[in-house]
Amino acid sequence: QVQLKESGPGLVAPSQSLSITCTVSGFSLTSYDISWIRQPPGKGLEWLGVIWTGGGTNYNSAFMSRLSISKDNSKSQVFLKMNSLQTDDTAIYYCVRHGYDDYAMDYWGQGTSVTVSS
Amino acid sequence: DVVMTQTPLSLPVSLGDQASISCRSSQSLVHSNGNTYLHWYLQKPGQSPKLLIYKVSNRFSGVPDRFSGSGSGTDFTLKISRVEAEDLGVYFCSQSTHVPTFGGGTKLEIK
Repeated sequence: QVQLKESGPGLVAPSQSLSITCTVSGFSLTSYDISWIRQPPGKGLEWLGVIWTGGGTNYNSAFMSRLSISKDNSKSQVFLKMNSLQTDDTAIYYCVRHGYDDYAMDYWGQGTSVTVSS
Repeated sequence: DVVMTQTPLSLPVSLGDQASISCRSSQSLVHSNGNTYLHWYLQKPGQSPKLLIYKVSNRFSGVPDRFSGSGSGTDFTLKISRVEAEDLGVYFCSQSTHVPTFGGGTKLEIK
């Protein structure tokens, strides 16, 4: 059974950094790419970046200067780190798996809510 | 970035009706390998989005056959043949031919 589960801090102070862990089960990170998506309250979906099976990454140009994605295949974990958070970074953050052939986002985590506030 | 434009923003329907959602991209979604990576997702209230249709017209595992996708190039459509109560929520189109982007969403609600 494919599962992804995010865990994050909930509340982050402005200008501080955000770290979220995505723990997966039912498949191997050496076989599937993982993206991070976020959704501000009441708004649409925004792609942040992807980590490929081989460990390479690609980021949304809007976040390239302050975003880092990494992973530990042996622990089945993917990590997101974003620096210099502001109030408009308040959102639900999702990790998602990409299908092997179709590259759709075929499985999503439940999401972790992050509020940026002092 | 590729801009995905969905219409309508809101779609009031009666149960049993057919529903149709349009998605238009700012540039062609045909990849150099010939595939078109246009997908549809449904987000029910309080839940994460779930994949319905991948590569324009392929239903994901477990998706009822009342859902169908069509289109090509820059114009795509999702149709629900007989809306059921469990179909209500926000529908998003998305492309992964280029750097992934999403449409703004269409809220399917009861008339």
